[in-house]
Amino acid sequence: DVKVTQSSRYLVKRTGEKVFLECVQDMDHENMFWYRQDPGLGLRLIYFSYDVKMKEKGDIPEGYSVSREKKERFSLILESASTNQTSMYLCASNAGDADTQYFGPGTRLTVL
Amino acid sequence: KQEVTQIPAALSVPEGENLVLNCSFTDSAIYNLQWFRQDPGKGLTSLLLIQSSQREQTSGRLNASLDKSSGRSTLYIAASQPGDSATYLCAVNFGGNKLVFGAGTILRVKS
Repeated sequence: DVKVTQSSRYLVKRTGEKVFLECVQDMDHENMFWYRQDPGLGLRLIYFSYDVKMKEKGDIPEGYSVSREKKERFSLILESASTNQTSMYLCASNAGDADTQYFGPGTRLTVL
Repeated sequence: KQEVTQIPAALSVPEGENLVLNCSFTDSAIYNLQWFRQDPGKGLTSLLLIQSSQREQTSGRLNASLDKSSGRSTLYIAASQPGDSATYLCAVNFGGNKLVFGAGTILRVKS
């Protein structure tokens, strides 16, 4: 079975802190994704990566950056956390355009 | 703009009932469509993936259909059970391996 893991289930940070969210997949997938999910707004794509060191902006990249140094790991970085980045963050991966996206359990981030 | 709409927003049914969840999308040139289940506070579990060349997919009590020409997909759940209670999300890949999600249907199956 495909497994996508995220480093934390719950995280509380202060405004202005630098925040790292880590995601690891164990199926040698080429593609990895970061979404955020908010009530009333649904899931929205922040960034995705189609290869090591390759990245592409999604629909809401402002305030975020990403890093993919190894194939299995995709990190989401909040350079200076703000309260409007309080959200559920979901990571996903897949092997290709025709394939199922597999999701991790999510990280609920609260920025105070 | 490519959009995905799910109707109804919420549904409550008695146990044992067959039910249909609806998903519509604005652009018929899709690559594939996925149905997911999400339990409260959890990640998404993939239920079914339908490629653009397919008309339906089945898994156990679940059947998903796709009609590209009308921009619609349905998820049929047979003999519903309390354990089916969750939010069901429809997501469309319009190309580029990027999913556009609907807002979801919150399903409650009463025992």
